[in-house]
Amino acid sequence: EADIYQTPRYLVIGTGKKITLECSQTMGHDKMYWYQQDPGMELHLIHYSYGVNSTEKGDLSSESTVSRIRTEHFPLTLESARPSHTSQYLCASSIDGTGEETQYFGPGTRLLVL
Amino acid sequence: AQSVTQPDIHITVSEGASLELRCNYSYGATPYLFWYVQSPGQGLQLLLKYFSGDTLVQGIKGFEAEFKRSQSSFNLRKPSVHWSDAAEYFCAVALGNTGGFKTIFGAGTRLFVKA
Repeated sequence: EADIYQTPRYLVIGTGKKITLECSQTMGHDKMYWYQQDPGMELHLIHYSYGVNSTEKGDLSSESTVSRIRTEHFPLTLESARPSHTSQYLCASSIDGTGEETQYFGPGTRLLVL
Repeated sequence: AQSVTQPDIHITVSEGASLELRCNYSYGATPYLFWYVQSPGQGLQLLLKYFSGDTLVQGIKGFEAEFKRSQSSFNLRKPSVHWSDAAEYFCAVALGNTGGFKTIFGAGTRLFVKA
């Protein structure tokens, strides 16, 4: 059973609000990811991190930002939410460097921006 | 360009019937191959993975997958589907590059199970 947590699970918020989606893992994994998933669509990587103080943008352009101050914590922030940000956001982690790259996923945050 | 294709957007199977979900990838070398399952309202869970060796791999919940290099395929199978298998299934490949490994997910196949 993976020990990776996301809060909140569901969020409804108005346009222009600042939001932070939390992601924490207790497995000591170096590598962490944020994916955006729309219904019936593939997962799109929006951010990843190789470790503390390392963050990179993924394949899909996103207006969100991330930080990695602690190994276990990888929050995602939207400074000004818009309806186009409505989606499901999945956080994942994996052991870095082994090549196995099995990813462990959190339950996701479903975001609705009105 | 590297890609993962799951040709079936959704599949409906009767409970107790066999199941095969298709996955093809486009990549010059043999990547690491995965199948994940996502139940409603949940994150993805690893079903099985292939790195090397025996091309038939066993996973959790009675699933298996077969890697066929000549067809660039990694199809998922289950001999007898249970209603609890209704979920979305994602095929993924991990590709090595100078920056490490990058994982690409397919668009998913939604499985419906009818009684």
